[in-house]
Amino acid sequence: GEDVEQSLFLSVREGDSSVINCTYTDSSSTYLYWYKQEPGAGLQLLTYIFSNMDMKQDQRLTVLLNKKDKHLSLRIADTQTGDSAIYFCARMTTDSWGKLQFGAGTQVVVTP
Amino acid sequence: DTGVSQNPRHKITKRGQNVTFRCDPISEHNRLYWYRQTLGQGPEFLTYFQNEAQLEKSRLLSDRFSAERPKGSFSTLEIQRTEQGDSAMYLCASSFQGDGYTFGSGTRLTVV
Repeated sequence: GEDVEQSLFLSVREGDSSVINCTYTDSSSTYLYWYKQEPGAGLQLLTYIFSNMDMKQDQRLTVLLNKKDKHLSLRIADTQTGDSAIYFCARMTTDSWGKLQFGAGTQVVVTP
Repeated sequence: DTGVSQNPRHKITKRGQNVTFRCDPISEHNRLYWYRQTLGQGPEFLTYFQNEAQLEKSRLLSDRFSAERPKGSFSTLEIQRTEQGDSAMYLCASSFQGDGYTFGSGTRLTVV
């Protein structure tokens, strides 16, 4: 089964906060990433968190990591229409030579 | 440096033909990765190079697939006798020892 799982779809109103969730099964994860993908484009790194951290904030983005529950979330404050995209959670482990394992992605649709 | 460059952006080929994609990583990056992304899924790891050495290959990489990085700079991914199931976005990424992980915009392959 999937080692990294995400909900598939999120609809949010412009100006509200979005919260995208991700769970993973392998506790050996060292880095956990959030990527954004717009239609027909490659992957844009949004932010990442090291597994010994609980929280990281970067402007409108807040990442929360619950290591006990193996749960990662990305909160986008004041969501804008330009935030509409697919968001991928990914993990990297120390023994994987930088190989990333991705979830299936969460499609975020921002409505006016 | 303009980031990771992939060519071509799009490729349409008939079933049974061979295709080759090229990836030019960020110049100082020693690691290069290939991923495949099918519709509605996250990217899946295919293979990884450290300099010119191919260090890991996924079981997804059948014997019809071959990747090279002859001088430790650009890389090519060749698919022989293409099948419709090979239709996907092929993404390349590079990093320096796992840091600065950057994806290219991908090559979209359509096999008809």
